[in-house]
Amino acid sequence: EIVLTQSPATLSLSPGERATLSCRASQSVSSYLAWYQQKPGQAPRLLIYAASDRATGIPARFSGSGSGTDFTLTISSLEPEDFAVYYCQQRSNWLTFGGGTKVEIK
Amino acid sequence: QVQLQESGPGLVKPSETLSLTCTVSGGSISSYYWNWIRQPPGKGLEWVGYIYYSGSTNYNPSLKSRVTISVDTSKNQLSLKLSSVTAADTAVYYCARGDHYYNSYMDVWGKGTTVTVSS
Repeated sequence: EIVLTQSPATLSLSPGERATLSCRASQSVSSYLAWYQQKPGQAPRLLIYAASDRATGIPARFSGSGSGTDFTLTISSLEPEDFAVYYCQQRSNWLTFGGGTKVEIK
Repeated sequence: QVQLQESGPGLVKPSETLSLTCTVSGGSISSYYWNWIRQPPGKGLEWVGYIYYSGSTNYNPSLKSRVTISVDTSKNQLSLKLSSVTAADTAVYYCARGDHYYNSYMDVWGKGTTVTVSS
């Protein structure tokens, strides 16, 4: 089983600041890495797939990078609606999710 | 656009079988992977399993002995059965569409349905 470790668990930032979220895989997942945003009471929303491709309708302030075992989700300038929990997900023999990073208002 | 709607009992007794349905509207169930994911209260996401429209399946090894996912292409529905449930199976259950090449990401999600296991 490939384990995804996200860090930090919580990120406290102010609107307008840059957010950098990390996802590390226990073994290579090539570029099969996706990122999701989840707000309270809502289903997850796909942000990034194939490590760096933005999903339809996702603002350009969201970007993804990395390959192999180390991946990053960057939000260039936080908007009020970006405060949420973010999950990474990989697909090898089966799908697994990281534990999540909560981006909270400082 | 494609929409997914989960449905089923909100309360299931311990040791019984949880049964949920996901109805796909606005598009065909064909040519895609279809996943079930769950989220216990206050916790993260856990993938339960997937089915390809042709009927092939893959399940989370930790749940494999208790899970069955099936698809009815004529009704544009997929279903989840989880047997011998315990309180640990209490969660919000989501269905989600996987990309049709490799199921490497899920681009359409249902709103989720809450299932509580309790006597």
